[in-house]
Amino acid sequence: TQLLEQSPQFLSIQEGENLTVYCNSSSVFSSLQWYRQEPGEGPVLLVTVVTGGEVKKLKRLTFQFGDARKDSSLHITAAQPGDTGLYLCAGAGSSNTGKLIFGQGTTLQVKP
Amino acid sequence: DTEVTQTPKHLVMGMTNKKSLKCEQHMGHRAMYWYKQKAKKPPELMFVYSYEKLSINESVPSRFSPECPNSSLLNLHLHALQPEDSALYLCASSQVVQLDYLNEQFFGPGTRLTVL
Repeated sequence: TQLLEQSPQFLSIQEGENLTVYCNSSSVFSSLQWYRQEPGEGPVLLVTVVTGGEVKKLKRLTFQFGDARKDSSLHITAAQPGDTGLYLCAGAGSSNTGKLIFGQGTTLQVKP
Repeated sequence: DTEVTQTPKHLVMGMTNKKSLKCEQHMGHRAMYWYKQKAKKPPELMFVYSYEKLSINESVPSRFSPECPNSSLLNLHLHALQPEDSALYLCASSQVVQLDYLNEQFFGPGTRLTVL
């Protein structure tokens, strides 16, 4: 069974601080997605990483995929209150049946 | 158009009611999904449709009945639900479901369901 361990589960920081969210597994994933979800809304796809060692940037957000495609991280620089939400990592497993393996999620609160 | 739409936004129903949730996408995607999500938890997969055929049922109780009338539409029929079924129900779509593909899923805004 493929699992994704996401940490931390909760994070409360002040505006302007930096943070990193981790997503780790003992299994290889063919791709990994990061989503952000605001209360009462559906998850919004932020990025997909596919190649081991890949780094992608989306404004103040930097996403990395581990060399072995077993782990990923999301780094936010100078967090803003608008970054508040639930961050989810999700992996497409080795037997791609359409099932995404989700991490437990990180609830981020950025205080002004 | 990169949007998945869901109706209604909110639904309150009694345990004896029958209701339906609707989902629509016009991205030409051939895979569609139903998820159930509780507060501050990740979405839990319920059903997967691939090319309008049910390919995955995650042992969902029969009081939930999915239907895929065509490649753009997905319904979830609800009957005799329990209060513990109250949750956010999310629809998603992806281009295809096949081995080694990206499987990027695009989610709708969800239907907030309350069962009294």
